[in-house]
Amino acid sequence: GQQLNQSPQSMFIQEGEDVSMNCTSSSIFNTWLWYKQDPGEGPVLLIALYKAGELTSNGRLTAQFGITRKDSFLNISASIPSDVGIYFCAGQLKTSGSRLTFGEGTQLTVNP
Amino acid sequence: DAGVIQSPRHEVTEMGQEVTLRCKPISGHNSLFWYRQTMMRGLELLIYFNNNVPIDDSGMPEDRFSAKMPNASFSTLKIQPSEPRDSAVYFCASSLWGKNTEAFFGQGTRLTVV
Repeated sequence: GQQLNQSPQSMFIQEGEDVSMNCTSSSIFNTWLWYKQDPGEGPVLLIALYKAGELTSNGRLTAQFGITRKDSFLNISASIPSDVGIYFCAGQLKTSGSRLTFGEGTQLTVNP
Repeated sequence: DAGVIQSPRHEVTEMGQEVTLRCKPISGHNSLFWYRQTMMRGLELLIYFNNNVPIDDSGMPEDRFSAKMPNASFSTLKIQPSEPRDSAVYFCASSLWGKNTEAFFGQGTRLTVV
């Protein structure tokens, strides 16, 4: 099936640092979504991207839909302890209806 | 809106028992997804429905797993008989069918089969 390669798998940073993670694929996606999952909870949608080249911000979070439609990145600026969690990218293929393909996740640890 | 509601939040059962997980999607959403999450395999799509009709169940691991959506506001995932390797967190998500869709997840059911 379709695969999303998400990197890095894990990150350990100090509070205040900026973070960047990305997803790549060999397939072209219509939509890119970024989710965050806290321990014991379900993934929560952070940002949705719908157009190639689109750059969208949500507070300290910024995400971009790659020009080729095969990649996306998520940046977190000035990290804080509550940013800890697992971040997932998800893509929607043109031919897959509502079905999403998920990356493997990036585990983020922020040291105070 | 209360979001996607799953029950129970936690389930502990003995091997061989039947387990039923429940989901109420967001009102107005017409696509519903069941996912399983484990450390080893991450988030796996088991099955999804559109307008209460199963569209793709290729992710259902075995015949022991079955899912139904009798109406637009309710779905069940059943495992019979359950096995220890079924232990995982099961998520339900819903969205609007279409080109640009955002899926919203429930809080999950943590299943432990002993």
